[in-house]
Amino acid sequence: GQQVMQIPQYQHVQEGEDFTTYCNSSTTLSNIQWYKQRPGGHPVFLIQLVKSGEVKKQKRLTFQFGEAKKNSSLHITATQTTDVGTYFCATSYDKVIFGPGTSLSVIP
Amino acid sequence: EPEVTQTPSHQVTQMGQEVILRCVPISNHLYFYWYRQILGQKVEFLVSFYNNEISEKSEIFDDQFSVERPDGSNFTLKIRSTKLEDSAMYFCASSAGGPGSPLHFGNGTRLTVT
Repeated sequence: GQQVMQIPQYQHVQEGEDFTTYCNSSTTLSNIQWYKQRPGGHPVFLIQLVKSGEVKKQKRLTFQFGEAKKNSSLHITATQTTDVGTYFCATSYDKVIFGPGTSLSVIP
Repeated sequence: EPEVTQTPSHQVTQMGQEVILRCVPISNHLYFYWYRQILGQKVEFLVSFYNNEISEKSEIFDDQFSVERPDGSNFTLKIRSTKLEDSAMYFCASSAGGPGSPLHFGNGTRLTVT
């Protein structure tokens, strides 16, 4: 089945610094979804990418899907304390499978 | 905004006991899911449910687990004989479309097996 890996596992940044998490697969993915889970919370859907090379933006967040559809990235510009949480990529074929997540902490 | 609701928020049970976790999916959604997350770890797929039957299940979802949609609004997960390793956060999710559609998660039920 389709599986995705994420790096880094943890990232600590100073407030105002940028942050990027990477999602990788050994197989071609049909799509990528990104979710955010605040500490003590539940995963919340952020975005879905479907097309090769697709780039989508949500305010300070930029999402990319690789040309080969085997990787994706989430970049946050000028992090804020509200960005703290775990960011999961996920992919779906017959079910939605989550990557292990990148836990972001932001030092004020 | 419509929400997925889960009850209870925390369930403590003794090993070997049966538990039922309850979920009310978003009303116009057709696909329902259970995931679990052991503390600090990844979100693991358990089962998907569509048209009153299981559509996919993982290796974790063995004979001790069952799901039901008893009355057209509730979606339940039953664990027949709980084990210590069943302790986790259990999330219910629903989606309007199939596996390619965004999942809407509930707040979860924290299950503690002692």
